[in-house]
Amino acid sequence: DIVLTQTPLSSPVTLGQPASISCRSSQSLVHSDGNTHLSWLQQRPGQPPRLLIYNISNRFSGVPDRFSGSGAVTDFTLKISRVEAEDVGVYYCTQATQSVTFGGGTRVEIK
Amino acid sequence: EVQLVQSGAEVKKSGTTLKISCKASGYTFIDYYMHWVQQAPGKGLQWMGLIDPENGETVYAEKFQGRVAITADTSTDTSYMELSTLGFEDTAIYYCTTGGPTYWGQGTLVAVSS
Repeated sequence: DIVLTQTPLSSPVTLGQPASISCRSSQSLVHSDGNTHLSWLQQRPGQPPRLLIYNISNRFSGVPDRFSGSGAVTDFTLKISRVEAEDVGVYYCTQATQSVTFGGGTRVEIK
Repeated sequence: EVQLVQSGAEVKKSGTTLKISCKASGYTFIDYYMHWVQQAPGKGLQWMGLIDPENGETVYAEKFQGRVAITADTSTDTSYMELSTLGFEDTAIYYCTTGGPTYWGQGTLVAVSS
């Protein structure tokens, strides 16, 4: 199985400051169809997960442009340019290149 | 608008079988795999398996192999997840998700008791 390792586990951030989350895969996530099926999810407290970014860097409909994704092959990053109070929650990377797996999650909280 | 509406919360006895439903609307049901995900209290997301509603083919995570069965009824656009021989460790919220993983159900809370 592909293992996704997220760092840090927790990210205390000052409002208005940036945050960055890393996701490292144990294997290449490049699919035979040419796409890299790496997505980022946000889970606010008490809510189901919500898709933010798909295929590394594509923002889903309605997602604010302060969220951005980057990376390639095995190393990926989610960045929040200026953290707002509504961004508090747990963020997960997930891959669907080979079966489906999730990273362990990164908690974003306000300092 | 795509919606996935799941069945309500359940309390089950250990050793029994759970069956949860997920009714889809707003898209063509057979066009996308349906996945099921487990989230234990305070823990992360664990993929359980998927079904291709077009042909009924399933893939299950090794952790749940032999205990889980995912089905799809194309006449009602509903997917079901059945988990047998429940243990206390199966206390969790269960989600259905589709569009790889674009759309999520609201979650079904399951508590397993003795």
